[in-house]
Amino acid sequence: EAGVAQSPRYKIIEKRQSVAFWCNPISGHATLYWYQQILGQGPKLLIQFQNNGVVDDSQLPKDRFSAERLKGVDSTLKIQPAKLEDSAVYLCASSPQGGATATEAFFGQGTRLTVV
Amino acid sequence: RKEVEQDPGPFNVPEGATVAFNCTYSNSASQSFFWYRQDCRKEPKLLMSVYSSGNEDGRFTAQLNRASQYISLLIRDSKLSDSATYLCAVNDYKLSFGAGTTVTVRA
Repeated sequence: EAGVAQSPRYKIIEKRQSVAFWCNPISGHATLYWYQQILGQGPKLLIQFQNNGVVDDSQLPKDRFSAERLKGVDSTLKIQPAKLEDSAVYLCASSPQGGATATEAFFGQGTRLTVV
Repeated sequence: RKEVEQDPGPFNVPEGATVAFNCTYSNSASQSFFWYRQDCRKEPKLLMSVYSSGNEDGRFTAQLNRASQYISLLIRDSKLSDSATYLCAVNDYKLSFGAGTTVTVRA
């Protein structure tokens, strides 16, 4: 079974530029997550989708971050404009089932973003 | 109060030792719980799900204490390969992670 696919693996941009990340979840997985992981910290949930609806985006900095999941499959996360503090690994994960009794989430390899 | 808090460690233990650490959660309505392992510069990988009755997978034992709102992970007979960061994850309607507990097993 193919895992969660993410691209690009690495990205270096200057501050105030824009960047987009792409995620293809495991086939059939209804729930998709985007996490930001800063070095030395745990993953911070940015947004959680159930099919193509948003379950939680309370920690998404909406003035600069946006995410969508068209047709309930692939997802993109965009940052515009980027700040130095956005340097982190952006992890996408998916699980077969969400909600209160969600099953385990499977992670992609992540996109390592460096903002200079 | 953070939604999920972990013993930060680091735990530095000799091979063969037993190490245990906890993770507390704030939402009493949380329903599902997981331990993940994360190696340096890698993505988190599921170690085990945590069930109400507690569960064991080889040298790893996970326990859930709903009354005190914490989960625990115990590693017996530690191996060098157990050196990693262990993340707990708690799900109410969203899946939240703790900051991780770093374990280093020395020869």
